Amino acid sequence: KAGVTQTPRYLIKTRGQQVTLSCSPISGHRSVSWYQQTPGQGLQFLFEYFSETQRNKGNFPGRFSGRQFSNSRSEMNVSTLELGDSALYLCASSLFGDTEAFFGQGTRLTVV
Amino acid sequence: GENVEQHPSTLSVQEGDSAVIKCTYSDSASNYFPWYKQELGKGPQLIIDIRSNVGEKKDQRIAVTLNKTAKHFSLHITETQPEDSAVYFCAASEGEYGNKLVFGAGTILRVKS
Repeated sequence: KAGVTQTPRYLIKTRGQQVTLSCSPISGHRSVSWYQQTPGQGLQFLFEYFSETQRNKGNFPGRFSGRQFSNSRSEMNVSTLELGDSALYLCASSLFGDTEAFFGQGTRLTVV
Repeated sequence: GENVEQHPSTLSVQEGDSAVIKCTYSDSASNYFPWYKQELGKGPQLIIDIRSNVGEKKDQRIAVTLNKTAKHFSLHITETQPEDSAVYFCAASEGEYGNKLVFGAGTILRVKS
């Protein structure tokens, strides 16, 4: 059974640009959550989608957004990138959201 | 909201010894507590979890204990091996759907051979 797949693995963007990250969950999983991981702030929850609906949102500015498609694949978008957005962005999938969550390898975003 | 504190931040043990990592949480409504292991360049890997209706759970060399009254839970690794060296994170669930995980700051475990 394939795990959680995140693409791309690495990204370098310039301040002010926007970026879209993709996550394909484990087959059959309907919940996808996104987390930001930085050395200073650790792992922080961004948002969670279940059946194409955002059910929960963390304390991030509106520049961070996401969506989920009917096949459960999810994307997150960050607009007007800032240097502080440099981080490892992790996606986790679970069956229903309150069950075991499995993480992908992450997308390493560097903003220059 | 939920707050999770994790100790120690670094832990060095000799191969074959046991390692214990402790976490405390603040929200008594939290009911799910997973532990993750993260190796360099990889995403966190779920190694064991426990729900609030259970006091202890074991899987081979790994065990987790939960004390709901004191709001703390611990990870125990016995007979440590060099491949156990990694960063370990505890987490607690939060939110109406239990779908948000609040993580501890992590523990760097080094197993010396």
